[in-house]
Amino acid sequence: KQEVTQIPAALSVPEGENLVLNCSFTDSAIYNLQWFRQDPGKGLTSLLLIQSSQREQTSGRLNASLDKSSGRSTLYIAASQPGDSATYLCAVRPSDDYKLSFGAGTTVTVRA
Amino acid sequence: SAVISQKPSRDICQRGTSLTIQCQVDSQVTMMFWYRQQPGQSLTLIATANQGSEATYESGFVIDKFPISRPNLTFSTLTVSNMSPEDSSIYLCSVGTSGGHQQFFGPGTRLTVL
Repeated sequence: KQEVTQIPAALSVPEGENLVLNCSFTDSAIYNLQWFRQDPGKGLTSLLLIQSSQREQTSGRLNASLDKSSGRSTLYIAASQPGDSATYLCAVRPSDDYKLSFGAGTTVTVRA
Repeated sequence: SAVISQKPSRDICQRGTSLTIQCQVDSQVTMMFWYRQQPGQSLTLIATANQGSEATYESGFVIDKFPISRPNLTFSTLTVSNMSPEDSSIYLCSVGTSGGHQQFFGPGTRLTVL
C-alpha cells in the first residue's frame, strides 16, 4: 500500500522567503504526482501535475521536482506572500490504478 | 480542466437524519470520485462513481451508509445516511480527465452533525 508523507507538518515564514515543501512516497511505481492547495474549509486547487517521466514542472513562482526512484517530490514557492498561506497537499497516482493517495499536508503561514 | 460545483456548500444536521450532496461538472466525465476529509485529517476516498455502473466503495465505506447515484456524465450525488457526529467532515467530489491523468476537485461540502 502506498504511503505518502509530508514534512514539515507546519511552516511559518516571513514574507519574501522561499518555501520548500517535501513529499515522500513508499512505492515508486507511480503514474503521476499532483500538488494541491487547500484554503481552510475549502476544496482543493490543483497547482502542478508531474508525470512519472518528468523531473520537474514550473508555474509562475511554483516549481515542483520529482525523483521517482528515491520516492521524493519537492514543491518550491519563490518569494512567498501572505496570500500563499494555505495547506499544501501532495497526491500520488499509482501506475496501475486511478486512485490517489494523499499526504497529510503542510500548513504554511506567511507572515506580513 | 473541469469546473465543478457542489451543493450545499455547508450544512448543520441533526443526528439520525440524512443529507444528499450534489456534484455538477461543466463537461462530460467518465470517472467521478467522492472523498471525505475529517477535521485535521487528509483526504480519504469513499467511492468511485462511473456512469452506467454501480459505485465501487473503498474499505470501511458501505452503500447503506453512503449511497451514490450517477445518472449521467455530468452529475452525481452522495447521501450521508443516519448521520452521527463522527460524520462531521468536508465531503469533496472530484473528476478524472483524459483517462484519469489528472483529478480536479469541487469546493467541498462542510457538514456538521449535532
